[in-house]
Amino acid sequence: GAGVSQTPSNKVTEKGKYVELRCDPISGHTALYWYRQSLGQGPEFLIYFQGTGAADDSGLPNDRFFAVRPEGSVSTLKIQRTERGDSAVYLCASSLGRGQETQYFGPGTRLLVL
Amino acid sequence: DQQVKQNSPSLSVQEGRISILNCDYTNSMFDYFLWYKKYPAEGPTFLISISSIKDKNEDGRFTVFLNKSAKHLSLHIVPSQPGDSAVYFCAAKGGGGADGLTFGKGTHLIIQP
Repeated sequence: GAGVSQTPSNKVTEKGKYVELRCDPISGHTALYWYRQSLGQGPEFLIYFQGTGAADDSGLPNDRFFAVRPEGSVSTLKIQRTERGDSAVYLCASSLGRGQETQYFGPGTRLLVL
Repeated sequence: DQQVKQNSPSLSVQEGRISILNCDYTNSMFDYFLWYKKYPAEGPTFLISISSIKDKNEDGRFTVFLNKSAKHLSLHIVPSQPGDSAVYFCAAKGGGGADGLTFGKGTHLIIQP
């Protein structure tokens, strides 16, 4: 079956602009996660959805970052007033849900803020 | 402070030999551990996992060992193959109710012919 997909694969924007990154989880997976990976680092947790609700957003760095999952499937990560420090690979992962621990990752969106 | 540490940024192993990748953690509340493999420009791919109630899990050429008293886990790959060349990430779950995974910085494994 299809894995986690993310669009766009690459995004270049200018400082101060708004961007949206999309994630399509594996069909039937109720849990969805967003991570951010900077060069030379491991992925860092941003936010976790169980169904439509954000169950844990403790990893969001500040209020410029926001994510939604209105129908419990596709999720969008939104970044307002982008800064150069936001440049990173944004990874999405999904899992079957609570008690099913293995998370499956998408290919990521490479964001470059000029 | 880094709760999951992979202290070897890179490791070179000859094809056919055993590769051993190490990971240390500090949070005793972690209850599940995973290893991911990552090729350039791709997302991490799940390899193998282990629950904190076990000390070993095996899947084909991959074995993960967990030493809870030492807060240490290792991934053994035997025999190593050229396609195993990648960055390997150790990740942990739990740690006080957090739902996301906590990752190490990764170890770049290079399999030499």
